[in-house]
Amino acid sequence: DAKTTQPPSMDCAEGRAANLPCNHSTISGNEYVYWYRQIHSQGPQYIIHGLKNNETNEMASLIITEDRKSSTLILPHATLRDTAVYYCIVRPWFYNQGGKLIFGQGTELSVKP
Amino acid sequence: IAGITQAPTSQILAAGRRMTLRCTQDMRHNAMYWYRQDLGLGLRLIHYSNTAGTTGKGEVPDGYSVSRANTDDFPLTLASAVPSQTSVYFCASSEGDRSTDTQYFGPGTRLTVL
Repeated sequence: DAKTTQPPSMDCAEGRAANLPCNHSTISGNEYVYWYRQIHSQGPQYIIHGLKNNETNEMASLIITEDRKSSTLILPHATLRDTAVYYCIVRPWFYNQGGKLIFGQGTELSVKP
Repeated sequence: IAGITQAPTSQILAAGRRMTLRCTQDMRHNAMYWYRQDLGLGLRLIHYSNTAGTTGKGEVPDGYSVSRANTDDFPLTLASAVPSQTSVYFCASSEGDRSTDTQYFGPGTRLTVL
């Protein structure tokens, strides 16, 4: 699986958009970009995933560059409850025996009043 | 719908004791997983099951065993606990074992082995 690089921490003001970057320069054509987050002491929570098109759901938007070497997760109106560690993960689309998720260190997002 | 439940929430265990962590899901998902999370190491896969009746080893299986007698339950057993197994354990499930299947996680079990 391709390696991802994320900043270790970021701050965001409450009500503003939080833009979390992820570099995945070695991504291959059959790998999806996934985002999960983990709020303190809770289990990881799925946010969104995409292959090459931008995606949006009720939680966030995912912007993937045309060359697919990087992506940005956007939380449009961050709240204090969005304070968490955010993980960017790349996974191949074909059957991946074991289906394991490889979690890196993630970005610790702090939303401040 | 409860999703995934894990029990116990936390446990302190003497080294050498046997312990079973329970995991139950009510989503009728085929695939289930056990991860451990340690500070600085992220989440690592211990064992997985693609469907009832089958199991497989993940990255760190030593010292752990699992069984999958039915779709809903996936217990994790430590036959003889050691202090290095002190960790937070998360159970997860997904509809299938394809990489595009989203994994849903339980609330975790915090285990301390003394």
